[in-house]
Amino acid sequence: EVQLVESGGGLVQPGGSLRLSCAASGFPFSSYKMNWVRQAPGKGLEWVSHISSGGSNIYYADSVKGRFTISRDNAKNSLYLQMNSLRAEDTAVYYCARVRVDRGVDYFDYWGQGSLVTVSS
Amino acid sequence: DIQMTQSPSSLSASVGDRVTITCRASQSMSSYLNWYQQKPGKAPKLLIYAASSLQSGVPSRFSGSGSGTDFTLTISSLQPEDFATYYCQQSYSTPHTFGGGTRVEIK
Repeated sequence: EVQLVESGGGLVQPGGSLRLSCAASGFPFSSYKMNWVRQAPGKGLEWVSHISSGGSNIYYADSVKGRFTISRDNAKNSLYLQMNSLRAEDTAVYYCARVRVDRGVDYFDYWGQGSLVTVSS
Repeated sequence: DIQMTQSPSSLSASVGDRVTITCRASQSMSSYLNWYQQKPGKAPKLLIYAASSLQSGVPSRFSGSGSGTDFTLTISSLQPEDFATYYCQQSYSTPHTFGGGTRVEIK
């Protein structure tokens, strides 16, 4: 059974840092691209970041570029999101999502349960 | 960046109704369009990928169509468990933007 379990969320002051983790199981993690998606309270979904299966191709939303870093450890079946210089507008539930590809189309077929990050003084 | 515009933003419908949600892209993107369902407090769930392919395990009352800039998600006969928020998402180019969502409520 595919499982994605996020951890590391919590309350942090503006300007602070936090590192989210996503533990993957039930599939060959090193073969899959992974993404982070977030959702501010009462708002819609916002794509945050993408990493290729080997970690060499990385993309970010403009809203987090230069502050967030996505990474992965395929030996540990884990995905990470290092978040620095956090702002109030980064407050959201953060989801990790597995990417499948069909006819060249990426789509997110499995999602974690989410980890809440609250940025507040 | 490709902007995704969903309409309507919300709708009220009854069990058994046929429901249609549209998603328009700011530029042509072939069939690089996915649909997700989200219920309160839960993670999104994939319904449709590549514009019209039904994800395994998703009921056949859900269908997707469209290509280029205009896409549609149709629920042929709305069931009680379908009351949720629906999002489209493009994966043609990064950022892989989502639409603003369509909330389907009980009439």
